[in-house]
Amino acid sequence: GNSVTQMEGPVTLSEEAFLTINCTYTATGYPSLFWYVQYPGEGLQLLLKATKADDKGSNKGFEATYRKETTSFHLEKGSVQVSDSAVYFCALSAPRRGAGSYQLTFGKGTKLSVIP
Amino acid sequence: DSGVTQTPKHLITATGQRVTLRCSPRSGDLSVYWYQQSLDQGLQFLIQYYNGEERAKGNILERFSAQQFPDLHSELNLSSLELGDSALYFCASSVASDGPYGYTFGSGTRLTVV
Repeated sequence: GNSVTQMEGPVTLSEEAFLTINCTYTATGYPSLFWYVQYPGEGLQLLLKATKADDKGSNKGFEATYRKETTSFHLEKGSVQVSDSAVYFCALSAPRRGAGSYQLTFGKGTKLSVIP
Repeated sequence: DSGVTQTPKHLITATGQRVTLRCSPRSGDLSVYWYQQSLDQGLQFLIQYYNGEERAKGNILERFSAQQFPDLHSELNLSSLELGDSALYFCASSVASDGPYGYTFGSGTRLTVV
């Protein structure tokens, strides 16, 4: 079945540090890949996405490249801010076996804390 | 504001009781998805509706049920509640039933069973 594995947190960084959150996936067919962010007390927000191999998704200084050969979609940011403190979820969308319905499958989330 | 509205935001109830969570999808979205988020299980897909019909089921307990109404809002019914049902319940919507689309999430309903 489809699955997403992302690095366990929590991750604590100083402001302006470089961020990498690793994400790898297993899926049938050709999935689309997403990063969602959840700020404290809020729902999940789409951060960025990539729909085919070698696509790079980017938003708010965050980037992730769809690597089919390594089945990865690592999230990076060159200089994190305190306001980036949140939980980050990697997800994939792929058809379910025997059904026509796409679903989002999420990783367990990585909590990021950025300290001044 | 994501455009997906969930009510209530917080709910505290006793074991054995029944509750109903409500979700209004973003305007124009026909699909509604329900997810449960707990500390130990992460985000678990429960069920999907598209234009009033059930499209997919995930790890939804038999004590739980859902429906989507003609105006596209959806309700998740949780009955015979147990302490372990305490969690955040999210609703999400998307424009279509199939395809590699991302979802728009509501802010969730925090259910506490005491």
